[in-house]
Amino acid sequence: EPEVTQTPSHQVTQMGQEVILRCVPISNHLYFYWYRQILGQKVEFLVSFYNNEISEKSEIFDDQFSVERPDGSNFTLKIRSTKLEDSAMYFCASSYTGTYGYTFGSGTRLTVV
Amino acid sequence: TQLLEQSPQFLSIQEGENLTVYCNSSSVFSSLQWYRQEPGEGPVLLVTVVTGGEVKKLKRLTFQFGDARKDSSLHITAAQPGDTGLYLCAALLGSSNTGKLIFGQGTTLQVKP
Repeated sequence: EPEVTQTPSHQVTQMGQEVILRCVPISNHLYFYWYRQILGQKVEFLVSFYNNEISEKSEIFDDQFSVERPDGSNFTLKIRSTKLEDSAMYFCASSYTGTYGYTFGSGTRLTVV
Repeated sequence: TQLLEQSPQFLSIQEGENLTVYCNSSSVFSSLQWYRQEPGEGPVLLVTVVTGGEVKKLKRLTFQFGDARKDSSLHITAAQPGDTGLYLCAALLGSSNTGKLIFGQGTTLQVKP
């Protein structure tokens, strides 16, 4: 069964530091996403990426956030200057069609101290 | 604001009982997905329903999409302890062409032996 792989599984960082969360989506998928889940809250959409550009982003995805697909296999989420409230589980997901068959990774738990 | 309301939020039942989880909204969806999430893991897709009135079965799980495509239900027959977990509904809006999913807050199911 193809998987979406996320690294690292846990990341602790100091407030104000930059973090990069990495994802390897399923190889033939065309749509890529980042979601986050603050402890005890709903899974929230951050950004969708298709054809090498952002197709939609949420209000959460401000100038501190960026995404990249640098080499055709990795998909990264960068937070430039982390805040305490960025602490959450971050999930990468991919889909072939954008409407069916989403696969989520196991997530990166980000803790900002 | 598009909201997806799940009920109940918590459900604790004995092995062998039946249960139904509901997912409701005032918005019309092009499709609705049900996921199961284990602690510390990403959501795992169970099923996608697309057509109003559609019913899909996955072993003891029956998923239904409302005729108006605004609501859905998940029915589990003869629940087992292995069914314990967090069940999430997530919807794709009719207007979305980016694959952005809106999640419900989840139903935590505990099945006691």
